[in-house]
Parts: sequence; structure tokens; C-alpha cells
Amino acid sequence: EAGVAQSPRYKIIEKRQSVAFWCNPISGHATLYWYQQILGQGPKLLIQFQNNGVVDDSQLPKDRFSAERLKGVDSTLKIQPAKLEDSAVYLCASSLVGTGAGTDTQYFGPGTRLTVL
Amino acid sequence: AQSVTQLDSQVPVFEEAPVELRCNYSSSVSVYLFWYVQYPNQGLQLLLKYLSGSTLVKGINGFEAEFNKSQTSFHLRKPSVHISDTAEYFCAVSEPLKGYQKVTFGTGTKLQVIP
Repeated sequence: EAGVAQSPRYKIIEKRQSVAFWCNPISGHATLYWYQQILGQGPKLLIQFQNNGVVDDSQLPKDRFSAERLKGVDSTLKIQPAKLEDSAVYLCASSLVGTGAGTDTQYFGPGTRLTVL
Repeated sequence: AQSVTQLDSQVPVFEEAPVELRCNYSSSVSVYLFWYVQYPNQGLQLLLKYLSGSTLVKGINGFEAEFNKSQTSFHLRKPSVHISDTAEYFCAVSEPLKGYQKVTFGTGTKLQVIP
């Protein structure tokens, strides 16, 4: 079974530039998560989709970050414009059901390491 | 609101020695508890999870964790570590909400196994 795919693996940009990350979850997984992991910290949830609807984006800086999940399958996360403090690893994860039972295992992609200069 | 505390940011331990990584949580409702491991330059993967039943949970690679409701803890243990266990370990709590689950991760503990 193929895992969660992410691209690119690494990205270096200058501040005020735009960047986009792509994620393809495990086939059949209803829930998709985007996390930001700053060096030395745990993953912080940015946005959570259930199928193609957003269920939690309370920690997404909406003035510069946006995300969409096309047809309930793959997803893109965009930053426009980027700031120095956006330097982090962006992790995508998916889970099978996500109905709110709270028991789902999340399967993570390898992440995209973003450096903002 | 739920939260997770991992008190130790780094834990050095000699190979074949036992190790315990500590995790405490707070929540106003019943939660589910997870431990994930992150090897260098990789995503996180599940080690084990507590959903219900026996408070001692066994996971992959010889790890186990014990859920202690009165102390709101979910410490991870391994009786004898190997070099390959060098990684960062994250404790997470999942709270079932209306229609979805809310997951909060701790700040992680780096386990360094010394030959």
C-alpha cells in the first residue's frame, strides 16, 4: 500500500515570495491533516479536512496561508507571502475514517522542509 | 482544552539499558493516547495507542506504555534499547469532538542511544 506522498521535499525561498506544497493521502482515507513542525517543537495542526470539507482551521494564519483539498483526495497548502518565521517542516497526514471517534491512527508523509531567507 | 507535556526534551541512554519517556496530559473529557516516533528526515509513524481496556499497551519494536488515569500519564518504556531506537518520540492526545477528532502533540523527546 502506498503511503502519504508529499512534494517537494525541500524548498528554499526568500521572504515575501509564495510557495505551495502538495500532498496525496493514502487511497480511501477520508481525513487529511496539514501540520507545521518548527525545529524543536511538536507538530502543530494547521488545517484538517474531512473528505473535501474543512473541520478545523483554527490555527491556520488565514492572512497568508490557504489550503484546499481537490475532490476529497489530494491537497495543496499555500503560503503567500512567506515570512522568516514560516521556516519549518510541513507535514501532511491522513487517516481512514475521522468520524470523531478519536481513535484513528494518522499516517504521515515525509514532510516538506521550507527555509525562508 | 487538551494539552500534552513531555518534560524531557532529550534523553541519553546507553545501548541495552532500559528507558522511560514521560508524557502527561490534561483534558476535561475522556481522551485517547498515542505515541509516535520520528526517525531523522522521515515523517511520524505510530508506535502504539491506548483506546480502552488494559492500561498496559504494547507497540512495535518492543515498546510499551502504561495509561495511568489518576496521574494523567502515559509513559513510554523499553527494557533494552538499541542503537536503531535513536529518534524523536512524540506523545499525542486525541479528543473526540462533534464530527471529528482533535489531536494535540507534545513537544517531543529526543532519545539518543549511546553505543
